[in-house]
Order: sequence, then C-alpha cells, then structure tokens
Amino acid sequence: DTAVSQTPKYLVTQMGNDKSIKCEQNLGHDTMYWYKQDSKKFLKIMFSYNNKELIINETVPNRFSPKSPDKAHLNLHINSLELGDSAVYFCASSQVPHGNTIYFGEGSWLTVV
Amino acid sequence: ELKVEQNPLFLSMQEGKNYTIYCNYSTTSDRLYWYRQDPGKRLESLFVLLSNGAVKQEGRLMASLDTKARLSTLHITAAVHDLSATYFCAAAISGSARQLTFGSGTQLTVLP
Repeated sequence: DTAVSQTPKYLVTQMGNDKSIKCEQNLGHDTMYWYKQDSKKFLKIMFSYNNKELIINETVPNRFSPKSPDKAHLNLHINSLELGDSAVYFCASSQVPHGNTIYFGEGSWLTVV
Repeated sequence: ELKVEQNPLFLSMQEGKNYTIYCNYSTTSDRLYWYRQDPGKRLESLFVLLSNGAVKQEGRLMASLDTKARLSTLHITAAVHDLSATYFCAAAISGSARQLTFGSGTQLTVLP
C-alpha cells in the first residue's frame, strides 16, 4: 500500500489555467506538507497543516491555495498558472510537525506551457 | 533564518571507494535528516540524527552529527553502483512547526 499518494503524477497545462493536485496519506499522521522542487532539485516547503490547521505558510504567491478537508488529505490548488510554476510538487506527512520521519509522495510533475 | 549547505554538489566515484558528503547548517538545529532520491522518485528517509555525537549506520552509509560545529556527515564505505542517487540533508529548528530546510543535494554517481 502506498503511504502517501498524490495525483496526478504528470500534468501539462497552459499558462493561465487553474489546476489542482491531490494528496492522501493512509498512515494516520496528523501533519501534512507541500514541498516544491525546482529544476535544480532545490526543495522548499510551501505549506504545512497539522490536524487540518495551517501551521506553515511560506512566502508563495497567493495563487497557491492549500485545502485540507480532513487529516488524511491535503490538496493544492493553483490559479492562473505561470511558466515559473513548472516544478515537481511533493506532498509529505509525519506523525507530528516535522517528526522523526517524514514520508514523501512520489511527486507531481507540473509543466506549464 | 536557517541555511543548509551541502558539499560537494556533484560526486563521481569508483566502486569500492570511500567518500564523505558534508552538510553545514547556519543556526542551532535540534535534528538533522538525510534523504535519498532516485531520479523521478520520492525522497526516502535514511537517517534522523537527534543529538550531538549521534551516529547511525545502515549498510554502506553512516551518518553523524556534531551540533557544536553545526555539521553532519554522510560517509559512504566501499561504494557500489546501487548507491547512485541524490542525497539531501535537512535541518529543523525546534518550534511549533519545526520548519525543515533542505540542502541543495549531492548527486552521487558510482562508476563501475
């Protein structure tokens, strides 16, 4: 069973479109995250939710909006996509905020054309 | 602001050789993570180091933490091709959310 799963794995879309990436974890963890990995493989946290409450909200454009309907899900919605949004977006989860082990999803490869 | 620097960024080594990847961080951190990422794949947790002097080993990889020097190392012993991957270290400052900051990654290629 996949512990942290995200969909879609690949997404190619045009500038200006709105898209969502979904994430689900079946580990019973309280905390979930979105990370962005750019073309140089640099990883940076975007958001974190603990028990459906937003606890980390890094300086990202407000075109990015996370939503956590329950502890097991954290979705990322992106409005008015721009070329610079092209990256790999990783969802992750841990038992507590940045607990001992953080489990990552396989990534969603977003290409904006 | 916590900054994490890894070096080298690229490492090409022969099978059977030993090498060390270094991870420096700029401010006090209460834990240090090492991850492995294969091309196009998820990050896989290797080690979490929680205290000064902590050493953990798994197979040919050994990680250590010196909190006074703000330095963690990942030592590779007798490298094999299967170890080819990108290795990331990440540090966290204690706090309500323990924000995790990643290094730039070390792309390791083990040559036959």
